[in-house]
Amino acid sequence: DQQVKQNSPSLSVQEGRISILNCDYTNSMFDYFLWYKKYPAEGPTFLISISSIKDKNEDGRFTVFLNKSAKHLSLHIVPSQPGDSAVYFCAAKGPRAGSYQLTFGKGTKLSVIP
Amino acid sequence: DSGVTQTPKHLITATGQRVTLRCSPRSGDLSVYWYQQSLDQGLQFLIQYYNGEERAKGNILERFSAQQFPDLHSELNLSSLELGDSALYFCASSVASGALTNYGYTFGSGTRLTVV
Repeated sequence: DQQVKQNSPSLSVQEGRISILNCDYTNSMFDYFLWYKKYPAEGPTFLISISSIKDKNEDGRFTVFLNKSAKHLSLHIVPSQPGDSAVYFCAAKGPRAGSYQLTFGKGTKLSVIP
Repeated sequence: DSGVTQTPKHLITATGQRVTLRCSPRSGDLSVYWYQQSLDQGLQFLIQYYNGEERAKGNILERFSAQQFPDLHSELNLSSLELGDSALYFCASSVASGALTNYGYTFGSGTRLTVV
């Protein structure tokens, strides 16, 4: 049972345009959501996060939106740059108290075309 | 360099064998997490240790075990290896208090295990 789903395995976007990566979850007890970026031969690196009590968080070119009623979050990258080409993982924390394990989606491979 | 060190980077071994993967957390971090990434799969949580004690267990097979030592490094032991155990194994660490900050974990670069 996959609790965090990224239904698009890949996405191609022109440089300068907006990239929108989507993520759906099934467990309403998740209380924190994170996006990680992963380059080949490297571990995932933290990108941006959002608490379940918020609906938007912005950091430079990156914005994460959370729609709790739809159990959906999205990552917007504007403008997209070739260096953004990587695999993006959506992750959710909880619900078990005292444990900080994250549940990850399978990832979306973003290709930004110059 | 994330500060989380995993060794070895690559490991090739035969079915039925046993291997040990090592992780040194970022300085000051007390929690260590192990994740497995198989082909076309997301990162699957295996186990978490906090200051030497097991804190949470995920989808970890009985053939797998882990421990965290007094110096806070951790080892993941995989035994009776099968072809399906071939994967990337990531270690991550988090801040000393055990609380998850808004930046989550810091991951190492992983150990790629190939079972032949």
